[in-house]
Amino acid sequence: ILNVEQSPQSLHVQEGDSTNFTCSFPSSNFYALHWYRWETAKSPEALFVMTLNGDEKKKGRISATLNTKEGYSYLYIKGSQPEDSATYLCALNNAGNMLTFGGGTRLMVKP
Amino acid sequence: ETGVTQTPRHLVMGMTNKKSLKCEQHLGHNAMYWYKQSAKKPLELMFVYNFKEQTENNSVPSRFSPECPNSSHLFLHLHTLQPEDSALYLCASSPGRADTQYFGPGTRLTVL
Repeated sequence: ILNVEQSPQSLHVQEGDSTNFTCSFPSSNFYALHWYRWETAKSPEALFVMTLNGDEKKKGRISATLNTKEGYSYLYIKGSQPEDSATYLCALNNAGNMLTFGGGTRLMVKP
Repeated sequence: ETGVTQTPRHLVMGMTNKKSLKCEQHLGHNAMYWYKQSAKKPLELMFVYNFKEQTENNSVPSRFSPECPNSSHLFLHLHTLQPEDSALYLCASSPGRADTQYFGPGTRLTVL
């Protein structure tokens, strides 16, 4: 059983603050690391798929980095907005098409 | 919208009932998945289908029975469920193995 850990479990920030959270995973047999954004009552939405050590991806104010040797990925949000409020999930792919998800970080941005 | 639809969105059933969850994708994807999310637990993979063939069964009890009649449709047949099976059931699809997965909105299941 793979252990994918996300921290913190929840986070409250003020509008305009920048924030980041962590996904930790076993570094052996790494294939890809996925980040998803999941708003309440909606479908999880893919943000990034990262495969190479040192990868950095960006989508608007959201960016992510990957360190496969030490087994972690960071997700950054610059200038948080209320519409960024969601649960952010990471998922490890280390064999075929099975994803192992972390427990998520629930972000709440106060106006 | 992700292009993956699920029906029904909410389902309440008794332990002796038989019901089915339906998932449909019009993305031309070859892989489809069922996931379960129980309260305060991570998303948990249940089944994987590639080109209509089941390739993964993540130790799921036999009271859950998947069916994939074609690459666009996936069903989860439910019978004699237990109250602890109450959860959100999500369907997803992907172009192939290890690709980004696109999720449906889920079915919220309550077993009385």
